[in-house]
Amino acid sequence: AQSVAQPEDQVNVAEGNPLTVKCTYSVSGNPYLFWYVQYPNRGLQFLLKYITGDNLVKGSYGFEAEFNKSQTSFHLKKPSALVSDSALYFCAVRSSTSNTGKLIFGQGTTLQVKP
Amino acid sequence: DTGVSQDPRHKITKRGQNVTFRCDPISEHNRLYWYRQTLGQGPEFLTYFQNEAQLEKSRLLSDRFSAERPKGSFSTLEIQRTEQGDSAMYLCASSLANEQYFGPGTRLTVT
Repeated sequence: AQSVAQPEDQVNVAEGNPLTVKCTYSVSGNPYLFWYVQYPNRGLQFLLKYITGDNLVKGSYGFEAEFNKSQTSFHLKKPSALVSDSALYFCAVRSSTSNTGKLIFGQGTTLQVKP
Repeated sequence: DTGVSQDPRHKITKRGQNVTFRCDPISEHNRLYWYRQTLGQGPEFLTYFQNEAQLEKSRLLSDRFSAERPKGSFSTLEIQRTEQGDSAMYLCASSLANEQYFGPGTRLTVT
């Protein structure tokens, strides 16, 4: 069965410091991996994806993520956090063999960036 | 705005009533998804359309739930005889390739 784990309910970081939001996954076949961000009372906004190619992928708002096949991880990173990055972050996976492309989401990690 | 839109944004209904939600995807997207999100959880897949064909339904989608996409454009999700457990955010997403683009959601409260 496909699954995604985000081991931290909340991550706290000071503005200007680097941030990491962790994600591990389990999927049959090759994984397609995604990060989304959700602001209060809003839908999910796409940040970045890994389909194939370079393990380090860059996305919106200065975020990047590193795919590690051996550790089945896809951690979200940013070199310097902003207060405006405070939001709820979701990691999602689908299998490359899926005909429908439905996403399996983690439970989410709240990022709190303090000034 | 050319993003995914959903209507209504909020719906309060009494237990036992029927409700219907609408989703308008990004115009050229042929794939449309419905998800349900409860407080503190990630979205859970409900159903998938490719053009007008409903190709997958989750076990979460009981007989009280029905979804349509009549002309391969907008979609509706109907819940009959609502129950308090149906209270959630219902999200619609559309896609042309790999990434899905989400609408703002419809928050349903069943009293």
